[in-house]
Formats: sequence, structure tokens, C-alpha cells
Amino acid sequence: GESVGLHLPTLSVQEGDNSIINCAYSNSASDYFIWYKQESGKGPQFIIDIRSNMDKRQGQRVTVLLNKTVKHLSLQIAATQPGDSAVYFCAENRNGGFKTIFGAGTRLFVKA
Amino acid sequence: DGGITQSPKYLFRKEGQNVTLSCEQNLNHDAMYWYRQDPGQGLRLIYYSQIVNDFQKGDIAEGYSVSREKKESFPLTVTSAQKNPTAFYLCASSIGQDEKLFFGSGTQLSVL
Repeated sequence: GESVGLHLPTLSVQEGDNSIINCAYSNSASDYFIWYKQESGKGPQFIIDIRSNMDKRQGQRVTVLLNKTVKHLSLQIAATQPGDSAVYFCAENRNGGFKTIFGAGTRLFVKA
Repeated sequence: DGGITQSPKYLFRKEGQNVTLSCEQNLNHDAMYWYRQDPGQGLRLIYYSQIVNDFQKGDIAEGYSVSREKKESFPLTVTSAQKNPTAFYLCASSIGQDEKLFFGSGTQLSVL
């Protein structure tokens, strides 16, 4: 889940299709995971979160899945819309502290 | 409207100059944070404050300083010791530890 460089992974989907954005996190001690959406020139916005005692959580059009065995997190967006085009970051919080660690992000393009 | 206000939106620094970025929140949150974002990368933690008159270094604190004299305010000073200050700076707050972050709209700092 650490920053890995200048070239963001990119996902391109057709409007109306479902999107799946994946994230591998680094520390098995992490117990709280959050997905944020960042539009160009703006600050990140909270989308959905999940704690380590769960493996799935659903929101409005979004679902987060957590697989602690392989330290993998995914964000599913149903019926993707042009307004969903943004960079999506997964983030992890360790041991109930104040430090939130962000991944490098995935850029989602939605084709009309 | 409750939220986090960052100013200015754009800031230019001359060589050897210190500059201060403002961050104000009216969410009544105890914890506040400063993150740095470089192009195409995730967010890295500079400093955080759990409560008034207390702050802790994050992962990249060198060349930066902060103060937390009021609950609502957490200004960040980029000192002349920061040799590569050009970045997008994001302020955030949270209710407490192990909670989601609320972000401001960011300040883009560039060097003249």
C-alpha cells in the first residue's frame, strides 16, 4: 500500500458497467481500511470503510471486500457513471492509531 | 456548512523563504493532519495533531513545522530547509484516532 511511482495504474470502463479496483496492503497489523475518491485539483473524499472483523461492506452503488489472508482490498462500483471518473486510493490504519497510510491510487476512466 | 478550509489555493515560494499554509476546520474534530501529494502518487503524512497544543511528526516532517494553538486551526510552515517543496498540500481532520479523514481542497505550492 505504499506509493510506488509516477505512473498510476489505470482502469477504463464503459458507462453502465461495473468497476473493480484492487489494492494490496502491506501490514497484517492494519485493522481499518478506507477508500477515498479524488477528483482533479481537489482533496480526497471518503467513499466507504471496513474494519478487520468484516470481509464485506456495502454502500450506495459501492462494495468493499477485504481478504485478510492475502492482504487484499477491493472496491466495486456498480453501474459506473461518468461522474465516477477520478483517482481512487485505498488507505490503511494500523493498530488504532492516527497514522493512515495511502496507496498510490488507481485512475478510473469512464467511457460514455 | 461544516468543513475544512485551506488557503491559499495556489502559493509561490522564493528561494530561502518560509511560507505558511492555512487550515481551518469547523467540524469540532480533535485530530488534524497535513499530507503532501506529489504528481501521480499517494499521500504522505507530514505532521499530525491529536489535540490542542500537541503534535507529532509523520513520515516526512523534515523541513516543515506546525502549531496547534486552537482546536480549529493547524497551520503548516514550509521552511527554507525543505529543498523540494513543490507539491499539493492537503489538510485533514478526524473525530479521533482510527477514524476516516475529512480533507480540505488543498494548496498547490510551487517554487519561483
